[in-house]
Amino acid sequence: AQSVTQPDIHITVSEGASLELRCNYSYGATPYLFWYVQSPGQGLQLLLKYFSGDTLVQGIKGFEAEFKRSQSSFNLRKPSVHWSDAAEYFCAVGVRSGGYQKVTFGTGTKLQVIP
Amino acid sequence: KAGVTQTPRYLIKTRGQQVTLSCSPISGHRSVSWYQQTPGQGLQFLFEYFSETQRNKGNFPGRFSGRQFSNSRSEMNVSTLELGDSALYLCASSEGGRGNTEAFFGQGTRLTVV
Repeated sequence: AQSVTQPDIHITVSEGASLELRCNYSYGATPYLFWYVQSPGQGLQLLLKYFSGDTLVQGIKGFEAEFKRSQSSFNLRKPSVHWSDAAEYFCAVGVRSGGYQKVTFGTGTKLQVIP
Repeated sequence: KAGVTQTPRYLIKTRGQQVTLSCSPISGHRSVSWYQQTPGQGLQFLFEYFSETQRNKGNFPGRFSGRQFSNSRSEMNVSTLELGDSALYLCASSEGGRGNTEAFFGQGTRLTVV
């Protein structure tokens, strides 16, 4: 079965600083990969996704992620963080099972942005 | 296109009662998944429905059940509520077919059991 690990429960960065959120997955083949963001009390919003092709994926709100097969990683990055980026971020892995896609979510990383 | 709609947004119930939550997916989406989110356990998968059939199930007791109607709208029911059932319940819809698709989430229903 597939699994997702987000090793950082909580990260604090200064506004304007760069950001990297880590995500590692465990699966025997190449999975489909997603990053979602959740503001307090809200649902999850898709930031970006990787299905195949170019391993550097651009998303909304200035985020990007890079799929590294050799490291089983799909880290999320942003060159300059804004205060409005404070939220919880979830990495997710989708695999094909029984002809359809099954998605597993990581435990999330809470991002705090300080002025 | 309208997004995923969950009703109600907030609920307060007493221990031992039952509750029904509703989810209307994006038009054309046939898959609806339910998740429970709590501070201690994070995001936990409850079940997925596709074309009125339960296709996938998480590790929750039988008190948690669901169904999907022919218009893809889904309901989730929790019977004999416990204090630990207090959580944000999220619904996600997707096309659900054989292609690669992402899930779109509703804003959730905040259930408080007292």
